[in-house]
Amino acid sequence: AQKVTQAQTEISVVEKEDVTLDCVYETRDTTYYLFWYKQPPSGELVFLIRRNSFDEQNEISGRYSWNFQKSTSSFNFTITASQVVDSAVYFCALLRRGQNFVFGPGTRLSVLP
Amino acid sequence: DTGVSQDPRHKITKRGQNVTFRCDPISEHNRLYWYRQTLGQGPEFLTYFQNEAQLEKSRLLSDRFSAERPKGSFSTLEIQRTEQGDSAMYLCASSLGREYTGELFFGEGSRLTVL
Repeated sequence: AQKVTQAQTEISVVEKEDVTLDCVYETRDTTYYLFWYKQPPSGELVFLIRRNSFDEQNEISGRYSWNFQKSTSSFNFTITASQVVDSAVYFCALLRRGQNFVFGPGTRLSVLP
Repeated sequence: DTGVSQDPRHKITKRGQNVTFRCDPISEHNRLYWYRQTLGQGPEFLTYFQNEAQLEKSRLLSDRFSAERPKGSFSTLEIQRTEQGDSAMYLCASSLGREYTGELFFGEGSRLTVL
């Protein structure tokens, strides 16, 4: 079975703080893909990143960075110097070849001014 | 705006009524998905089309639910004899490509409230 766990239901930080959102996944497949999506109050899920299971290189995109560790089945997401506009629900998702996306329950991030 | 569009954005109905949602995917995308999202949860897969063919349906999709994509473009999701448990956000997404690895582009969703 495949499963995505986001243990943090809600996180509140003050603007300019760094924050890490945790994601732990379960799958027996050797080929799979991991995603992060952002859902702002408007409701539309916005794609942030995709990693395949063979690429453990960490990635940085502006204030966003992702840490993929197969040894711990984790794909954590860090926002550096958070801003109020980062307030949203963030979903981690797992995709196996030939299967459908499995989303985690989401982490609601509130960035306070 | 050339993104995924959904209509209506919000539907309030009485239990037992039928409702239909429409999704217009990004024009060149061959894959179209329907997901359901309840409060505090991540999206759950309902069904998926490749062009006009419905290739997979979740067990969540009871007999009261039907989806179509008649010409491989827009899609409709109909719920018959609605129940209060059907209240949720219904999300449509589309993607491009033969491989099932592409990112999904989501619409803003259609929120259903069943009274």
